Amino acid sequence: GENVEQHPSTLSVQEGDSAVIKCTYSDSASNYFPWYKQELGKRPQLIIDIRSNVGEKKDQRIAVTLNKTAKHFSLHITETQPEDSAVYFCAASGASGSARQLTFGSGTQLTVLP
Amino acid sequence: DTGVSQNPRHKITKRGQNVTFRCDPISEHNRLYWYRQTLGQGPEFLTYFQNEAQLEKSRLLSDRFSAERPKGSFSTLEIQRTEQGDSAMYLCASSKWSHRGMRTEAFFGQGTRLTVV
Repeated sequence: GENVEQHPSTLSVQEGDSAVIKCTYSDSASNYFPWYKQELGKRPQLIIDIRSNVGEKKDQRIAVTLNKTAKHFSLHITETQPEDSAVYFCAASGASGSARQLTFGSGTQLTVLP
Repeated sequence: DTGVSQNPRHKITKRGQNVTFRCDPISEHNRLYWYRQTLGQGPEFLTYFQNEAQLEKSRLLSDRFSAERPKGSFSTLEIQRTEQGDSAMYLCASSKWSHRGMRTEAFFGQGTRLTVV
């Protein structure tokens, strides 16, 4: 089955700086890669996703890059703000078989220091 | 609220008791997923349904865990003979998927936090 590794587990940045979180996946058949933000005690919420037919996607201060050859994808947050502080999870899924469900990374606790 | 709804939000039970959680997905979503999340970890997939069919259940943690979605709408997750290790947040998510592989994102519910004492 799919295995998703996520690094770092914790990340502290100064407000205004950029944050980068990286994930690798094992199943070359995976073709959908979402990122979720989870604030303490709340549900995971999708912030951005990317499909395997594109290499990069951007939404305001958030961008995701995908390298299918290397099987890794990254989340980039620019101009970080205190409200960006949360746990971020990457995930991967495929189109068939056991890969249909999302397999999550172990999460990154991002702290933006004012 | 048109999002994914889970009940109850919190459940405290004694070891050995059975518990059942309910999930109401977004109405037009045909796929429904159950995940378990323990502190400091990402959600761990348990099972999923497409309409009323349970298409993957090999990841259910043991035979004490079972799930149903009898009419293709709401779903229940039951844990029999609960153990302290079952204490976790149980998350439900739903999405819309078509045979051409098009799908919406998975929307998560608020979860049911289970504490087994």
